Amino acid sequence: NAGVTQTPKFQVLKTGQSMTLQCAQDMNHNSMYWYRQDPGMGLRLIYYSASEGTTDKGEVPNGYNVSRLNKREFSLRLESAAPSQTSVYFCASSPEQRYSGNTIYFGEGSWLTVV
Amino acid sequence: DAKTTQPPSMDCAEGRAANLPCNHSTISGNEYVYWYRQIHSQGPQYIIHGLKNNETNEMASLIITEDRKSSTLILPHATLRDTAVYYCIVRSRDRGSTLGRLYFGRGTQLTVWP
Repeated sequence: NAGVTQTPKFQVLKTGQSMTLQCAQDMNHNSMYWYRQDPGMGLRLIYYSASEGTTDKGEVPNGYNVSRLNKREFSLRLESAAPSQTSVYFCASSPEQRYSGNTIYFGEGSWLTVV
Repeated sequence: DAKTTQPPSMDCAEGRAANLPCNHSTISGNEYVYWYRQIHSQGPQYIIHGLKNNETNEMASLIITEDRKSSTLILPHATLRDTAVYYCIVRSRDRGSTLGRLYFGRGTQLTVWP
């Protein structure tokens, strides 16, 4: 049982390049999330998916797209990377978002640098 | 959405209790208080959560005031490995939606010293 797995762990991109961050969870959770964390800051929600087939914007969605490929996988795409997107990205999942008593589990993070 | 206020930093001697406060004065009746921590560069780790009663697990205790406007996370016997940023979070519901999300602030940097 690996929990939440993110790939790649480290990536350097040039401005304007595109890339996709992959996330998979093996806990049969319905809800999945993508957060970013800038140096010295808390986590900010980019996008989330309450269930397979649905996605919604979070606090900072501009410059990103997401795909909930199936129940296990939730990918985050940067179509044209910008230096402002240099950050650590965390994927997370929870059993059911509708009920506030559920715990959210996080992956170990993906370090992205845009030069 | 209910937001939280935490001191930016605290320190604690190893073996002593660490008491981390959090204010959430705009919390509504159906919102939970969650605590997570983040050890340097790792993914946030769940600690504990509660609605209105005090809670305890193998990691910590959570004390929520009767009016629910503040809470305290207690690490009963802090160790050096407890040095981390601790986040107090209220699980909010979006306007027009029944779905809840976690809103993270900057948290409290707890430093445990020998």
